[in-house]
Parts: sequence; structure tokens; C-alpha cells
Amino acid sequence: KQEVTQIPAALSVPEGENLVLNCSFTDSAIYNLQWFRQDPGKGLTSLLLIQSSQREQTSGRLNASLDKSSGRSTLYIAASQPGDSATYLCAVKYGNQFYFGTGTSLTVIP
Amino acid sequence: NAGVTQTPKFRVLKTGQSMTLLCAQDMNHEYMYWYRQDPGMGLRLIHYSVGEGTTAKGEVPDGYNVSRLKKQNFLLGLESAAPSQTSVYFCASSAINRDEAFFGQGTRLTVV
Repeated sequence: KQEVTQIPAALSVPEGENLVLNCSFTDSAIYNLQWFRQDPGKGLTSLLLIQSSQREQTSGRLNASLDKSSGRSTLYIAASQPGDSATYLCAVKYGNQFYFGTGTSLTVIP
Repeated sequence: NAGVTQTPKFRVLKTGQSMTLLCAQDMNHEYMYWYRQDPGMGLRLIHYSVGEGTTAKGEVPDGYNVSRLKKQNFLLGLESAAPSQTSVYFCASSAINRDEAFFGQGTRLTVV
């Protein structure tokens, strides 16, 4: 069974700081990895999708990397803003299913 | 572009009552999923479907049933609700080739 872990569980940073969120998974036979953002009481918004053959994806201030062989992904957020405060979830597509980590709760302090 | 729509958004049930949650997607996706999200547990897969007329069990299927009679709809049923089924339920869909998951806004269910 695939297990996905996210560290840290919570993170608080001052505005403007660059930060890295981590995601690890136990079985490297994944189809892809997806990063989501979830605001309190809301659904999941897709941020970045990395296919298994790719090493990284970028969207604006976000950059996600994937090292499939070591079972790791990182989400890099540049120049953080208070509006980035949310929970960030990673998920891997493994077989027909998506497996999720428990998320990192990010607070950006103005 | 509606994407994935869940109905209802909120519901309170008494123990033993039944209900059906509806998920509708307008992206012609083959795959559809039902998850529940609980504090500290993350998202756990209840049931999923790889196409019209097919369903399969996920990690936590007990107490739930599903049906996929039409490609665009995936129904989640609770036959006899229990307080342990108090949770936020999310529906998701994905296409076969790209495999990106799209989520609905969730249904907050409370069983008293």
C-alpha cells in the first residue's frame, strides 16, 4: 500500500520569505504527483501536476520538484504572501487511486 | 464551466437515517472518486469508479454504497447513518490520459 507523508505539519513564516514544503511516498511506481491548496471549509484547488517522467513544474511563484526514485517531492513558494496561508496537500496517483498526505498548514504573517 | 458539483453542501442526519450524496461532473471524465476528510486523517478513499456502470472499494468502504449509472454522475449512499460517518465528503474526477484530479467543494455531513 502507498503511504504519503508531509513534513512539517504546520509552518509559520513572515511575509516575503521563501519556503519549502515536503512530501514523501513509499512506493515509487506512481503515475504522477499533484499539489493542492485547501482553504478552511473549502474544497481542494489543484496547484501543480507533475507526471512521473517529469522532474519539475512551475506556476508563477510556485515550483514543484519530483524525485521518483527517492520517493520525494518539494513545493517551493517564493516571496510568500499572507494570501498564501492555507493547507497544502500532496497526492500521488498509484494504480487507479490517489493517495494523500495529511497536509502542511501554512501561515504567512504580515 | 461547472467542473465537479456536489449536492448537498451541508446535511444533518439522525442516527439510522439514510441519504444519498450526488456528484456531477461536466468534463467527460472516466474516473470518479468519493473521499472523506477527517481531522488528522487526511483524505481517505471510500469508493471509486473507472467508468460508467463500474464501481470498486477504496480504503474505507464499510457503511457506504455507490452507483455510476451515468458517466457524469457518481452517487454515494449511506443506508443507516452512524455518528462515525460525521465527516466532510469530497468527490473528484479525472481523465484517463492526464490523470489530474479535480475536486468538488465538499459536503459537510453531521450525524447526531
